[in-house]
Amino acid sequence: LAKTTQPISMDSYEGQEVNITCSHNNIATNDYITWYQQFPSQGPRFIIQGYKTKVTNEVASLFIPADRKSSTLSLPRVSLSDTAVYYCLVGMVDRDDKIIFGKGTRLHILP
Amino acid sequence: ETGVTQSPTHLIKTRGQQVTLRCSSQSGHNTVSWYQQALGQGPQFIFQYYREEENGRGNFPPRFSGLQFPNYSSELNVNALELDDSALYLCASSDQGKETQYFGPGTRLLVL
Repeated sequence: LAKTTQPISMDSYEGQEVNITCSHNNIATNDYITWYQQFPSQGPRFIIQGYKTKVTNEVASLFIPADRKSSTLSLPRVSLSDTAVYYCLVGMVDRDDKIIFGKGTRLHILP
Repeated sequence: ETGVTQSPTHLIKTRGQQVTLRCSSQSGHNTVSWYQQALGQGPQFIFQYYREEENGRGNFPPRFSGLQFPNYSSELNVNALELDDSALYLCASSDQGKETQYFGPGTRLLVL
């Protein structure tokens, strides 16, 4: 799996839009980009996944430029409950492949 | 559709003991992956099982072993427990070839 780089932490305020960028320079042609959210003492929760351009669901948007070497998770109008760690993963869950989580981005939402 | 479940939720063991953790995959999923997550770190991949066979392994010693059963549920076994094995153990299920994993709530293991 391609190695990913994310900011270690971010702070924002309630009601703001938050953008978290992930770098993945070695992304392969078949790799998808997946973001997870994790609250303390819980398992990670799938947020969104994409391959190119833009994907939007009820929770977030994912922007992927043409070269796919980075991606940006966008959380609209965050609330205190969005305080969590966000992980970016790149690749395929496939035979003999290691699934690598980085340290993620600790997002802290302030009132 | 039931989600991924894990048991037990918490466990305390002493050094040298053995432990078995259990995971029931989400309905329809044939692949189970296990992760170890130390405090403040991201999950570390232990291994993955697909149709009862190991299908990839991370950098964990052989005393970490697993099983997958015909119903796709899975066990993680750890022998000769060490203090550093204290962590949250996560199980995730998926469909082989699909990138989205669904995680259980984890088992918190404390080794004294």
